[in-house]
Amino acid sequence: GAVVSQHPSRVICKSGTSVKIECRSLDFQATTMFWYRQFPKKSLMLMATSNEGSKATYEQGVEKDKFLINHASLTLSTLTVTSAHPEDSSFYICSATKSSGGAPGELFFGEGSRLTVL
Amino acid sequence: AQKITQTQPGMFVQEKEAVTLDCTYDTSDQSYGLFWYKQPSSGEMIFLIYQGSYDEQNATEGRYSLNFQKARKSANLVISASQLGDSAMYFCAMRVGLSGSARQLTFGSGTQLTVLP
Repeated sequence: GAVVSQHPSRVICKSGTSVKIECRSLDFQATTMFWYRQFPKKSLMLMATSNEGSKATYEQGVEKDKFLINHASLTLSTLTVTSAHPEDSSFYICSATKSSGGAPGELFFGEGSRLTVL
Repeated sequence: AQKITQTQPGMFVQEKEAVTLDCTYDTSDQSYGLFWYKQPSSGEMIFLIYQGSYDEQNATEGRYSLNFQKARKSANLVISASQLGDSAMYFCAMRVGLSGSARQLTFGSGTQLTVLP
């Protein structure tokens, strides 16, 4: 089946540093990937839609300069949390839809990346 | 705007019993899809079942079935013969638009299911 892989699964960093999270579709092409953020015991909130070869579309209230998204190829999107602060600590999950084919309505999720900013 | 409501923050069920997790939705779109995902403590999102707005039959996948009542705008998940491994957070989600198009999901607040031995 289709697989979406995220790396790293866990990262701890110091306040003020930048952290890059990768999201890869391993066996299919994804022109669009989505980045979600999830606080403990809470729902997933869409942060941005990542489009291959163009600028990401950010949801209202999400800082573009804080959360940089790059979708350089059909299989890779990256989320960079710049100048991270403790309030950025969260679980970040990416997802991707197959560009073509696939069961109706199926969206594939990565394993998630847990960021802790000290 | 789309909205998903899950009114049960937590549910308990005895092993081998069936359990229903509630989900209601709100959208003005005629074309939409409803999803259920399971999220264990590890954090991964596991796709369980999907129902399209034009599907006349309720979706079933093994022990999972979706009780789709379009007029009531509800899409409850039924898990039959609960197993200890079913203990997890369950999210109902909706995507509006035609299937196959790359659109984001809107998630409910989730229901934490605990299966008791």
